[in-house]
Amino acid sequence: ETGVTQSPTHLIKTRGQQVTLRCSSQSGHNTVSWYQQALGQGPQFIFQYYREEENGRGNFPPRFSGLQFPNYSSELNVNALELDDSALYLCASSNAMTSGGGQFFGPGTRLTVL
Amino acid sequence: AQSVTQLGSHVSVSEGALVLLRCNYSSSVPPYLFWYVQYPNQGLQLLLKYTSAATLVKGINGFEAEFKKSETSFHLTKPSAHMSDAAEYFCAVAAGGTSYGKLTFGQGTILTVHP
Repeated sequence: ETGVTQSPTHLIKTRGQQVTLRCSSQSGHNTVSWYQQALGQGPQFIFQYYREEENGRGNFPPRFSGLQFPNYSSELNVNALELDDSALYLCASSNAMTSGGGQFFGPGTRLTVL
Repeated sequence: AQSVTQLGSHVSVSEGALVLLRCNYSSSVPPYLFWYVQYPNQGLQLLLKYTSAATLVKGINGFEAEFKKSETSFHLTKPSAHMSDAAEYFCAVAAGGTSYGKLTFGQGTILTVHP
């Protein structure tokens, strides 16, 4: 069974640029959620995708957007990067058809905005 | 709306001592609760989950947690700490009464284990 994978592991961008982060969900999972974890804090929910549609969104501006593909992999796009976007971005997959399964996280992408 | 409070941002124990990490939650529906562990520069690993099947939940690495509805608590324990347990621990509650819903996390507790 393949776990959740994310790419790239590290990324350095400058303010105003755009970035795309990628996530492959665990085998058998159909739901992907993205979280932002700032240094020293708990993860904050960005949004969730199920069947290629956004299925819930946290308190993040529209410049944070996403996609889910037919194979359940996902992308997180952030436009007009700001210094405060520097964080660890975590992807989690789960199966909406399985009661009590829980969410499983990837290793994360560390984004630094200069 | 859900919320999670972890009491104590830092906990320090000696190797072999009891580990107790505290978590209180707020949820308008019967909750799904989770404990995750995060090692430096890594993602989150699921330790255990409460899904209403049993109030005492056993997880990996010898950890367990007890769901107490009357106290709205889900504290994490381990009878004997090991050096490898040093990490940051997060308690989380899922939204909407499902296990796959949006997770709301506590602020985390850093566990230090002394030899």
